[in-house]
Amino acid sequence: EAAVTQSPRSKVAVTGGKVTLSCHQTNNHDYMYWYRQDTGHGLRLIHYSYVADSTEKGDIPDGYKASRPSQENFSLILELASLSQTAVYFCASSGLGGPGGQLYFGEGSKLTVL
Amino acid sequence: KTQVEQSPQSLVVRQGENCVLQCNYSVTPDNHLRWFKQDTGKGLVSLTVLVHENDKTSNGRYSATLDKDAKHSTLHITATLLDDTATYICVVGDRGSALGRLHFGAGTQLIVIP
Repeated sequence: EAAVTQSPRSKVAVTGGKVTLSCHQTNNHDYMYWYRQDTGHGLRLIHYSYVADSTEKGDIPDGYKASRPSQENFSLILELASLSQTAVYFCASSGLGGPGGQLYFGEGSKLTVL
Repeated sequence: KTQVEQSPQSLVVRQGENCVLQCNYSVTPDNHLRWFKQDTGKGLVSLTVLVHENDKTSNGRYSATLDKDAKHSTLHITATLLDDTATYICVVGDRGSALGRLHFGAGTQLIVIP
């Protein structure tokens, strides 16, 4: 069964601290994505990757870095966490993409920056 | 500017009743449209994908329609169950590949009461 696992599921960080959110997929998918979800808004794309060792900027990349060391793993890094980055973060993986490809999401990582 | 609008924002129905969720969008091009179910504190799970003009899909008690001319989609849930309580999210893809952008609605929160 397709699986995307995120860790940690919940984290409290201090302003200015470094935060790393990790994502692991066992779907053998080439494409991986990081989104953030804010209450009352749709998910927004932060970074994505379609091959190991390469990442691309999404629609809201400022303040975030990403790392794809292998096909299975994709991390989101907040070097200097800020209050505005409090949100729920979702990782997803996709094979073919578009209508022909399934899109699988992890269960989310709730980040609270104090 | 929000390109995917969902209505109603929230909805309460009694178990056994039917309900209809609406999605209007302005995304161009509109290659495909997906409906997702998100349980509280969980990730998004795909319910269906619609691709063609006037597409109709059925997945158990869930059925969906797409009118590309009107840029409008509906999700029908028949004979609701308590487990249908969730947020339902409409997503429009602007390309038929993984590198296309996905545009997410903010969701409709459905609450099913006994």
